[in-house]
Amino acid sequence: TQLLEQSPQFLSIQEGENLTVYCNSSSVFSSLQWYRQEPGEGPVLLVTVVTGGEVKKLKRLTFQFGDARKDSSLHITAAQPGDTGLYLCAAGPMNTGFQKLVFGTGTRLLVSP
Amino acid sequence: NAGVMQNPRHLVRRRGQEARLRCSPMKGHSHVYWYRQLPEEGLKFMVYLQKENIIDESGMPKERFSAEFPKEGPSILRIQQVVRGDSAAYFCASSPRTETYEQYFGPGTRLTVT
Repeated sequence: TQLLEQSPQFLSIQEGENLTVYCNSSSVFSSLQWYRQEPGEGPVLLVTVVTGGEVKKLKRLTFQFGDARKDSSLHITAAQPGDTGLYLCAAGPMNTGFQKLVFGTGTRLLVSP
Repeated sequence: NAGVMQNPRHLVRRRGQEARLRCSPMKGHSHVYWYRQLPEEGLKFMVYLQKENIIDESGMPKERFSAEFPKEGPSILRIQQVVRGDSAAYFCASSPRTETYEQYFGPGTRLTVT
């Protein structure tokens, strides 16, 4: 079973602080995605990274895919209360076709005003 | 452009009853996936369907669970003779084609078995 470990599991910070969330695996993936899920709702796709070493920016969020395509990070600059939620990484295993996503364990972020 | 729709949003069933969960994919999407999220656990893949075909059901429990995606109408996840351990959030996702891992999720159905 291919596992995605996320760290930290929980993060509670003040508005304006920066933070980084990590997603690690021993497996190589075709691509990796980051989702945010709010209570009572489904995951919302934030970004997809495909190429090893790729960096993508989405406003205050910066996503990086590791060179070996085994890990990824999400960095949030100047966090705001609206960033509160569960952040999930998900990846498509190699050689299984574009079918099932393997999800990480999640990082629960709380940003206080 | 409506997103993925799921209904009902909340479903309460007594042990032994049947649960039917419905999913309408985004317009233009012909690939549907079902995932289950148990309390305090991550999302786990259950089944992948295309119109009238089950492509991969490797994540589906062998008994009591079935899924379909008919030519007309929504995809249905059916759980027979529900047990307390089936209580979870069930999410449907859709994608337009197989050459991408980008899946778009619905709001989920929260099943509670009493």
